[in-house]
Amino acid sequence: NAGVTQTPKFRVLKTGQSMTLLCAQDMNHEYMYWYRQDPGMGLRLIHYSVGEGTTAKGEVPDGYNVSRLKKQNFLLGLESAAPSQTSVYFCASSFPSEAFFGQGTRLTVV
Amino acid sequence: ELKVEQNPLFLSMQEGKNYTIYCNYSTTSDRLYWYRQDPGKSLESLFVLLSNGAVKQEGRLMASLDTKARLSTLHITAAVHDLSATYFCAVTMYSGGGADGLTFGKGTHLIIQP
Repeated sequence: NAGVTQTPKFRVLKTGQSMTLLCAQDMNHEYMYWYRQDPGMGLRLIHYSVGEGTTAKGEVPDGYNVSRLKKQNFLLGLESAAPSQTSVYFCASSFPSEAFFGQGTRLTVV
Repeated sequence: ELKVEQNPLFLSMQEGKNYTIYCNYSTTSDRLYWYRQDPGKSLESLFVLLSNGAVKQEGRLMASLDTKARLSTLHITAAVHDLSATYFCAVTMYSGGGADGLTFGKGTHLIIQP
């Protein structure tokens, strides 16, 4: 049982480049989330989804887009990366009361 | 807007001592979570507290919840070096019809020295 798997684990982007982070879960959870973690800030919610085909904005959605075409996958896109998006990104899934986190993606934008 | 405040944000303590981390939140919430994070790692779930007066214990860690005071505590008993980590509390407004994610505190960086 893999749980929540994020791809890739590390990435370096140049300013203006685009990329997609993939989150896959095998627990049949309805709810999925993308968070970013910055030093001294805790985790902040970017976008979330309460089911296949649905997405919603979280606390810090600007500069990101998401899609949930399949229940098990939640994609986070950066259309034009900026240095301010340098962070560690965590995906999580949950239903109903406990969230399970992926191992994180460390993204650096130069 | 739901806000979560932890204190202290940094704590250095000696092995064998007891200490408490506090988590205050700003509005009524359904449930409260405590997580542990080791450097460069993901978050590990420690406790889920679902009701007023809930108390859970695992080893040297005990968590409690007072929903009236909007306060949770994580108590460390007779600390050992292996408990060195960053501890986060998080709160959700989940109300059964959907789940809008967790709001996290900034974390308590705990160092336990021999």
